[in-house]
Amino acid sequence: GDSVTQMEGPVTLSEEAFLTINCTYTATGYPSLFWYVQYPGEGLQLLLKATKADDKGSNKGFEATYRKETTSFHLEKGSVQVSDSAVYFCALRIQGAQKLVFGQGTRLTINP
Amino acid sequence: EADIYQTPRYLVIGTGKKITLECSQTMGHDKMYWYQQDPGMELHLIHYSYGVNSTEKGDLSSESTVSRIRTEHFPLTLESARPSHTSQYLCASSEWGAGGTDTQYFGPGTRLTVL
Repeated sequence: GDSVTQMEGPVTLSEEAFLTINCTYTATGYPSLFWYVQYPGEGLQLLLKATKADDKGSNKGFEATYRKETTSFHLEKGSVQVSDSAVYFCALRIQGAQKLVFGQGTRLTINP
Repeated sequence: EADIYQTPRYLVIGTGKKITLECSQTMGHDKMYWYQQDPGMELHLIHYSYGVNSTEKGDLSSESTVSRIRTEHFPLTLESARPSHTSQYLCASSEWGAGGTDTQYFGPGTRLTVL
């Protein structure tokens, strides 16, 4: 079946460090890929997305590239801030399907 | 930015009570969803709807029910709440997108605690 595997957390970094959160997927069809972010006490917010191979999604300094050959969609940011502390979810949706398939989430904490 | 609202944000109730969690969106989206989020963060789809008078069960079996009488409104009801229903409930909506590209937008969630 379709699934998403994320880097296990929690992840703790210092401010201005480089961030990578790994995400790999298994899909029976052609997925669109998403990163969502959940701040404490909030719902999920769409961070970025990519709908086909080699697409790069970017937003707020975060980026991720849809790599079909490695079935990956790793999230990166060059210089993190304390305000980036949150839980990050990688997700996919197969064309024609209704549901999002989520990874287990990665909790990120940035220390000043 | 998405406009999707959930009330209440927090609810603490006793066992056996009937509750309704409200979800509304002002974007005119046809599709709406309910997810249950474990304390361990994992999200599970419990209900979805393609439009008015359409409701479907998701992957995770749930004792809750939903209705879709109006496009903008997708309430979730528990007839008799139990401690096992304690969770965070997230509502989402999306419009039809070409080639499966439609994006789901989430509300802020309702954190339910059943004593």
